[in-house]
Amino acid sequence: AQSVTQLGSHVSVSEGALVLLRCNYSSSVPPYLFWYVQYPNQGLQLLLKYTSAATLVKGINGFEAEFKKSETSFHLTKPSAHMSDAAEYFCAVSDLGTGFQKLVFGTGTRLLVSP
Amino acid sequence: EAGVAQSPRYKIIEKRQSVAFWCNPISGHATLYWYQQILGQGPKLLIQFQNNGVVDDSQLPKDRFSAERLKGVDSTLKIQPAKLEDSAVYLCASSSQRSGRNEQFFGPGTRLTVL
Repeated sequence: AQSVTQLGSHVSVSEGALVLLRCNYSSSVPPYLFWYVQYPNQGLQLLLKYTSAATLVKGINGFEAEFKKSETSFHLTKPSAHMSDAAEYFCAVSDLGTGFQKLVFGTGTRLLVSP
Repeated sequence: EAGVAQSPRYKIIEKRQSVAFWCNPISGHATLYWYQQILGQGPKLLIQFQNNGVVDDSQLPKDRFSAERLKGVDSTLKIQPAKLEDSAVYLCASSSQRSGRNEQFFGPGTRLTVL
């Protein structure tokens, strides 16, 4: 079964600094990978997704992620953090084991942005 | 386009009581998902519907949880009787196709507290 591991339950950065949130996946087939963001008391919103096209995926709000098969990684980055980026970020892999898509989520990383 | 609607947003009950949550997916979306998100964890799929049929309920505690999607549109998730460990946010999501490429759209969730 597919799974994802997010390293670091909390990441703290200063406003304007580089954001790097780590995600490693385990999959027996070429994976579809997703990053979602969750703001307090809200549902999840898709940031970006990898579906076997370009390995560098650009998403909303200036985020991007690079699929690296050799490292089984799909890390999320943003060159310059903004206060509004403070939220919980979830990496997910699509599991088609039953023939129907289901998402398997990591445990999440809370991004803290200080002035 | 209206998003995924859920109600209520918050619910507090005592253990052994019953509770029900309602979800209305995005119009035209055939696939509907219910996730459980315990504090500090990523969402975990409870049940997945394709139209009004169940395609995956492998992680649904069937002794106390039930769900239905009559007419293939809105859905209800019920817990009877509730336990303390059921305290969580219950997220509903929908997608237009069963393909692993497709984005799932999430509702705001229902936060359940069991005392």
